[in-house]
Order: sequence, then C-alpha cells, then structure tokens
Amino acid sequence: DAGVIQSPRHEVTEMGQEVTLRCKPISGHDYLFWYRQTMMRGLELLIYFNNNVPIDDSGMPEDRFSAKMPNASFSTLKIQPSEPRDSAVYFCASSRGRLGEQYFGPGTRLTVT
Amino acid sequence: DQQVKQNSPSLSVQEGRISILNCDYTNSMFDYFLWYKKYPAEGPTFLISISSIKDKNEDGRFTVFLNKSAKHLSLHIVPSQPGDSAVYFCAASAQTNDYKLSFGAGTTVTVRA
Repeated sequence: DAGVIQSPRHEVTEMGQEVTLRCKPISGHDYLFWYRQTMMRGLELLIYFNNNVPIDDSGMPEDRFSAKMPNASFSTLKIQPSEPRDSAVYFCASSRGRLGEQYFGPGTRLTVT
Repeated sequence: DQQVKQNSPSLSVQEGRISILNCDYTNSMFDYFLWYKKYPAEGPTFLISISSIKDKNEDGRFTVFLNKSAKHLSLHIVPSQPGDSAVYFCAASAQTNDYKLSFGAGTTVTVRA
C-alpha cells in the first residue's frame, strides 16, 4: 500500500488567498484525521471523519477553515482566506476503526506570507 | 493548556546505551497512551502503546512504563541505535473524549556512534 498521500507537500501563498490541502487515506480505513503542527501549539487535532461523515470539528480554529470528505478515498482541508498565523505543517492520518493505529501522511508545509 | 508534557526537548545518547524518554500528563481521565516517532519531512509513525490497566508494555527494544498515580509514563529504548535518532511524541487519549489524541511537544533523540 502507498500509505496516506498528501498534496501538495509545500505550499507558499499570500495572505488572503484560498488554500486547499488534499489527502488520500489508506484504502479500507474508515477514519480520517486532520492535524496541524506549529511550534507554539505542537500537534493538534483539527477534525476527524468516520465513513466520510465529519464527527468532531471542535479543533478547527476558525470559520475560515473547512474540511470535506466527498468519498472514502479523498478529503480536503480548505483555508479561506489564509492568514500568516495559519503557517504550519498540516498532517492527514487514517485508521481502521476508532482505536486502530493512525497512519500519518508526510504532511503539507504551508507558508502564508 | 498542554495536558501532555514532555519537559525534555532533547536527549543525546551513545549507541548501545539506554534511551529514556519521559512524559507527564495532567488529565486523570486519560486511559490510553501512545508513543510516536517522527523523522524529518515525514509524518509521525506509531511506535508502542499502553492501556491504563497495565503498567508496562514491551515490544522488542521498546518498553513503555506507566505510573498512573504519578501521571507519568516513560519510553525505554535498549539498546539505542543510530536509526533511533528522531523526534518522539508522547500522546494520550480518553474514552470519555472519544479517544482524541493529545500530543506532547516532542523530544529529539540523537544517538551518537
């Protein structure tokens, strides 16, 4: 299996622009998680899905952030409009079952100037 | 508010010796604990876990110890190998919070040849 795939690996954008991060989970996994890693806050859970349905989005920082999972093999995290404080590494992870081992993607490093 | 704390940002150890990583938590509801390992430009990978009903779990060179009364866990790596050089994250979850993972800030381990 190819593992969790994220794109792009790096994204540099200007403040105010829309940013879309993409994730392909491991086939057969029914849970998908979006995390953000910053120096100040470390690794924090933003939102997670079960069978394509958002279960808990309490970690999403603001309304500027939104996430979708239109099917079992694709999810997006969108930031609109982006701000410099959104600069971070965003990870997607998937698991089989709620307590299954979470497999992380390589992350997307976002820089907002 | 960091509920999981790794107070040592870095650790240097000689190859073949033991590495001991420490983690403290404040939330008494945590009942499942995990360690993740992360190489640069990669996502975290699961290493080992322990349930609160146990005080020790061993997997090859890796052993996790849990002291519930002290709200403390540790990861022992014996013997340490150069490939163990990475960032190690402690994580905790609670059934009452749907097992959402809370991560520590990480400890960078450097194994010297």
